[in-house]
Amino acid sequence: EPEVTQTPSHQVTQMGQEVILRCVPISNHLYFYWYRQILGQKVEFLVSFYNNEISEKSEIFDDQFSVERPDGSNFTLKIRSTKLEDSAMYFCASSEKPAPTDEQYFGPGTRLTVT
Amino acid sequence: GQNIDQPTEMTATEGAIVQINCTYQTSGFNGLFWYQQHAGEAPTFLSYNVLDGLEEKGRFSSFLSRSKGYSYLLLKELQMKDSASYLCAVTAAGNKLTFGGGTRVLVKP
Repeated sequence: EPEVTQTPSHQVTQMGQEVILRCVPISNHLYFYWYRQILGQKVEFLVSFYNNEISEKSEIFDDQFSVERPDGSNFTLKIRSTKLEDSAMYFCASSEKPAPTDEQYFGPGTRLTVT
Repeated sequence: GQNIDQPTEMTATEGAIVQINCTYQTSGFNGLFWYQQHAGEAPTFLSYNVLDGLEEKGRFSSFLSRSKGYSYLLLKELQMKDSASYLCAVTAAGNKLTFGGGTRVLVKP
């Protein structure tokens, strides 16, 4: 069964450093998302992406964050200057059609630890 | 804004039935999803409701009342592997999922 993949599974970085989290969505999917989950808290929406542009973003997704689809398969989330509070599990998701007509498939996540 | 409430934790016995309630207040409503999340893993899709009524899928059923802003997920014939968090999520305008805090279900033998 096709699945969303994410690399790395765990990233440790120092405060102020840039990180790039990578995702490979399911191949025939057109809608891509990033969510994050701080330990013990709820899953929070960051950004959605369609047709090579951001379609929606949350208040969390400030100027420190950016997304890119550099080629036909990868979808990346960049955090320019990480802060301690960016420590969280970051989930990439994709769907073939827009919500709510289609479920979003989540990747296994990247655990980001900022020290 | 959107507000989604669900109980924090529930405990049930293997073989029993558990009902997880979710209430929501949203500006706009396009559908309600239930996801299962095992500790340290990604959410996985369980069910989707957009119209009032019950959707049944094997041991899992989900109910929606749009007028009451209420949904529940029913888990029957509980198995130990059902121990997980169950996340209620709503879509309004746009494609994003807005999640509740999740209900941790502990299944005891």
